[in-house]
Order: sequence, then C-alpha cells, then structure tokens
Amino acid sequence: QKEVEQNSGPLSVPEGAIASLNCTYSDRGSQSFFWYRQYSGKSPELIMSIYSNGDKEDGRFTAQLNKASQYVSLLIRDSQPSDSATYLCAVNHSGGGADGLTFGKGTHLIIQP
Amino acid sequence: DVKVTQSSRYLVKRTGEKVFLECVQDMDHENMFWYRQDPGLGLRLIYFSYDVKMKEKGDIPEGYSVSREKKERFSLILESASTNQTSMYLCASSVDPGLTTEAFFGQGTRLTVV
Repeated sequence: QKEVEQNSGPLSVPEGAIASLNCTYSDRGSQSFFWYRQYSGKSPELIMSIYSNGDKEDGRFTAQLNKASQYVSLLIRDSQPSDSATYLCAVNHSGGGADGLTFGKGTHLIIQP
Repeated sequence: DVKVTQSSRYLVKRTGEKVFLECVQDMDHENMFWYRQDPGLGLRLIYFSYDVKMKEKGDIPEGYSVSREKKERFSLILESASTNQTSMYLCASSVDPGLTTEAFFGQGTRLTVV
C-alpha cells in the first residue's frame, strides 16, 4: 500500500516567519518527490521537486529529502499572506512507469499578517 | 506554457445519467491522468493512460471508465452516475513516463450528482 502522510493542520505561522511542512511516505523505493500548492477552489501547481537526499533551494522555498527516514519537508522563509494555501506532498513510487503520483491529504497553511 | 483544459468547470447531473468529463492538453504529453479530490481524502488516482488507446486502473477505478482515442484528449466516463461520485475531478498530464517531471493539472470540474 502506497501511503503519503501529512499533518492536515491548519498550521498557523506569523508573517515573516519560517513555515515548516512535513511529509512521510511508505514506499522505501520511491524516487521522485514533489510539493504542490493549492489555493482554495483552484488546481494544484508545482512549487518544488526533489530527487536526491539533501536540500534544494528555490527562492524562499527549500525542499529537504531524507530517504533513509522516508521523510520530505518544505520550508518557506519570510512567509507572506499569499503563501496561505494547502500544500500537497506527492511521491512517485519505485519502478517508475506512468502510474501516477500518490498525494498526501495536504497541510492547510495560514500566514497571519 | 502547458495547458490542460477541462471541458466544464461545474456540472450538475442526475443519478443514473452517463457523464462524460473531457480533458485536452496541448503539449504533446504521453501521459494523462484523472484524479478526484474530496475533503479529508485528498487526491486519489482513478485512471491513467501512457499512450493512445492505452489505459491503466488507478486506486479507485470502480464506477468509472476512460477513453483515449487521440493523444491530446483523455475522457473520464461515469457509466451511471451516483451521489457518491459528487466530487472535484482533476485531469493532469506529464511528459515523462517515469513521472520524474511534474504533472500539470487542469482547472478542475466540480461535479454534483443529485
């Protein structure tokens, strides 16, 4: 059973602070990891992808991957009210193939002005 | 800019009706997917296709079928709509068969079955 777990929140963070979002996954052979942002009533949009252990930075966003612990996280620095959204962790499983991503249920992030 | 377009933003159908949800992508992607999204359950894969006329079941295929007659178009069919199929339906496409690149989503179709 392929599972991706996230804390549903809401996670409330003051404006300007660091928001930390976490995700664990069950398939040890998973190869590709993604963070999507979804605003209310909209479709998900990709904000970060990560494929190897360590950190990957893109602007105010940093994705962190630890395959040994089966853990992936997203840090948002200098949080802005526009970052308020649901963040979906998605995992592509071992063996490749076009079998689709498995998504977590999402963490609802609220940035308080 | 990749575009994935779903034919309807909102749909209301009656129980027992046959329902077609259409999705078109303009980037020549090999892979297309149908998900449904429900509060508390997240995004769940219904069906996917990695080539014309090819289809594979996802995690929750019961009550659904799909059609891919052309590369750019992937249709989701509810053979006999039921109220438990009321949901947000999201189509996605991807260029990479291993899905190491991102999936691009359409705007979603909110289907209500009454």
